[in-house]
Amino acid sequence: NAGVMQNPRHLVRRRGQEARLRCSPMKGHSHVYWYRQLPEEGLKFMVYLQKENIIDESGMPKERFSAEFPKEGPSILRIQQVVRGDSAAYFCASSPPIPPTGVAYEQYFGPGTRLTVT
Amino acid sequence: GNSVTQMEGPVTLSEEAFLTINCTYTATGYPSLFWYVQYPGEGLQLLLKATKADDKGSNKGFEATYRKETTSFHLEKGSVQVSDSAVYFCALRASSASKIIFGSGTRLSIRP
Repeated sequence: NAGVMQNPRHLVRRRGQEARLRCSPMKGHSHVYWYRQLPEEGLKFMVYLQKENIIDESGMPKERFSAEFPKEGPSILRIQQVVRGDSAAYFCASSPPIPPTGVAYEQYFGPGTRLTVT
Repeated sequence: GNSVTQMEGPVTLSEEAFLTINCTYTATGYPSLFWYVQYPGEGLQLLLKATKADDKGSNKGFEATYRKETTSFHLEKGSVQVSDSAVYFCALRASSASKIIFGSGTRLSIRP
């Protein structure tokens, strides 16, 4: 069973360009989470998605950032008009559907995409 | 709001030394607590977890006990190895939420 896949692993963009980061969850997982890790810091939650639905985007910057998880295909984190401050590692995690009661399932993390804005 | 505070690094130890990395948390309700490990150039791996007070999580010789009275979840290992060199993150998930809140990480280096 393949783990969470992210691509590309490394992405270089010039200021003003767009960055698209992809995440394929583990088989059977329908929930995806995106986190950002700035240099020498911990991970910060950005957004939580189910298929075709954004559940919690409380950690997303208000502008330039968007995320989707379509019915078919990977989840995409899109950053428009990148700036140097967007340089970070972006991690995706997936989990099975959360049961109606009880503790949520574990999140399994991908290897991350390291974005460098020049 | 919910938060995690962990011991600042870097921490450098000799092989076979005893390890403690302190972690305290602030949360309402009864969160689940985690330790994740990140090896150089890799993503995060779940090291251990505890879901209720007095639970002890353990894995690969590492242990941490969920202490509600002191709101702590300190990571310990009796005898570290060079292969334990990595960044360790303490984290919590509030009982009613899905997102995980991470501490800032502690870089551990083990000398042969």
